[in-house]
Amino acid sequence: AQTVTQSQPEMSVQEAETVTLSCTYDTSESDYYLFWYKQPPSRQMILVIRQEAYKQQNATENRFSVNFQKAAKSFSLKISDSQLGDAAMYFCAYRTWNTGNQFYFGTGTSLTVIP
Amino acid sequence: SQTIHQWPATLVQPVGSPLSLECTVEGTSNPNLYWYRQAAGRGLQLLFYSVGIGQISSEVPQNLSASRPQDRQFILSSKKLLLSDSGFYLCAWSKLAGGSYNEQFFGPGTRLTVL
Repeated sequence: AQTVTQSQPEMSVQEAETVTLSCTYDTSESDYYLFWYKQPPSRQMILVIRQEAYKQQNATENRFSVNFQKAAKSFSLKISDSQLGDAAMYFCAYRTWNTGNQFYFGTGTSLTVIP
Repeated sequence: SQTIHQWPATLVQPVGSPLSLECTVEGTSNPNLYWYRQAAGRGLQLLFYSVGIGQISSEVPQNLSASRPQDRQFILSSKKLLLSDSGFYLCAWSKLAGGSYNEQFFGPGTRLTVL
C-alpha cells in the first residue's frame, strides 16, 4: 500500500524568509500524481501545487515550488517570501495514475509564520 | 465551474441520536466522491469513497455508513452516534485519474460534536 510520510509535525518561519516542508512516499508505481494542500484555520482544504510523476521539471506556483526527487521518492514544498497568510497545516498527498480513485495523505505539517 | 456543497456546517448531537450529512457537487458528472474525518490538529482519515451511484467502498469499520442516491450526491449517516464520532467531516470529489484535473476538491466541511 502507498504511504505518505511528513516527518515534521511543526515548522516555523520568519516572515519574508523561506521554508521547506518535507514529504516522502512509498510506492511501486511508476506513474502517479503528487499534491500539496493547505488547510488554514478555516479548515478549507486548498490545493497549493501539483506534480505529475512523469514530468521531470519541478512545479512552481508563484511563491510555492517543489523539489521532486523521483528516485528518492521525495516531494518537498518550498515557500519563498513567507507571508502571515501562509500559516496553516500543509498536507502532502499521492494519487496513482491508473486506478487512482484513492488519495493517500500525510499526517500534515503545521506551519507558523513569525512576524 | 465546479462547486461542492456540504451541510450543515456545524452540528451538535446527543449520543445515540441519528446523523445525516449531505454533500452535493455541481458542474461535473460522474465524479468520484469521498468522505473524510479529521480530528482536531490531525490528518485525514478516509471513511468512504464512491465511483458511481450505489457503489460505496468502506475504508474503516465503524459506526457510520454512506450512500450515493444520485450521481452528484453523497450522504454520510449513522443510526446511533457515539462520542468518538465527533470530528470535522470533509467531503471531496475528483475525476478519474489521467484527465485534466487529477486533484481532489474539498467541501467546506461539517464540524460535528457529539455530547
